[in-house]
Amino acid sequence: EDQVTQSPEALRLQEGESSSLNCSYTVSGLRGLFWYRQDPGKGPEFLFTLYSAGEEKEKERLKATLTKKESFLHITAPKPEDSATYLCAVQNTGNQFYFGTGTSLTVIP
Amino acid sequence: DSGVTQTPKHLITATGQRVTLRCSPRSGDLSVYWYQQSLDQGLQFLIQYYNGEERAKGNILERFSAQQFPDLHSELNLSSLELGDSALYFCASSVVAGGNTQYFGPGTRLTVL
Repeated sequence: EDQVTQSPEALRLQEGESSSLNCSYTVSGLRGLFWYRQDPGKGPEFLFTLYSAGEEKEKERLKATLTKKESFLHITAPKPEDSATYLCAVQNTGNQFYFGTGTSLTVIP
Repeated sequence: DSGVTQTPKHLITATGQRVTLRCSPRSGDLSVYWYQQSLDQGLQFLIQYYNGEERAKGNILERFSAQQFPDLHSELNLSSLELGDSALYFCASSVVAGGNTQYFGPGTRLTVL
């Protein structure tokens, strides 16, 4: 069965302390891997799509990478406004989407 | 603001009842997706429509149904409601069928008492 596992469940960082979030996946056929940011009480906000192993994408302090079994979201020198839950999802070749339960990130000033 | 609108914001109803959730996609988007987010299960993909046609189905219960109308708005119908159906229901839209960039609405919070 297709599934996504994210770790850690929660992460507390000091402002400026870089770290990585992990997304491990098993999928029958990968069409795309997605990263979203979700603030409390709001809908997820799209960050990145990755399609094949070795691909990397960057946006401000965030960088997403993809291997055949996992993806990492690297956060460089985070700020308090980066505090949110980060969700990873995969789309299989049947066009179904599977989300992980997310990593709750808190950045302390 | 993603440009996706969902109504109502909150809905409180009783077990056994039927409700309809509505979603208007961003202007120009042809695809609509429905998701359920509960505390214990995270975000679950329910169903996708593209230009009025069903394109993909996830873990959608038989008690649930959806459709996309000619003006591209979509409705999710939930019937014979159970306590476990209480959740946040999100709609998302994208330009193309592939779902590359999905824009999520603010959600409808459903409480079944």
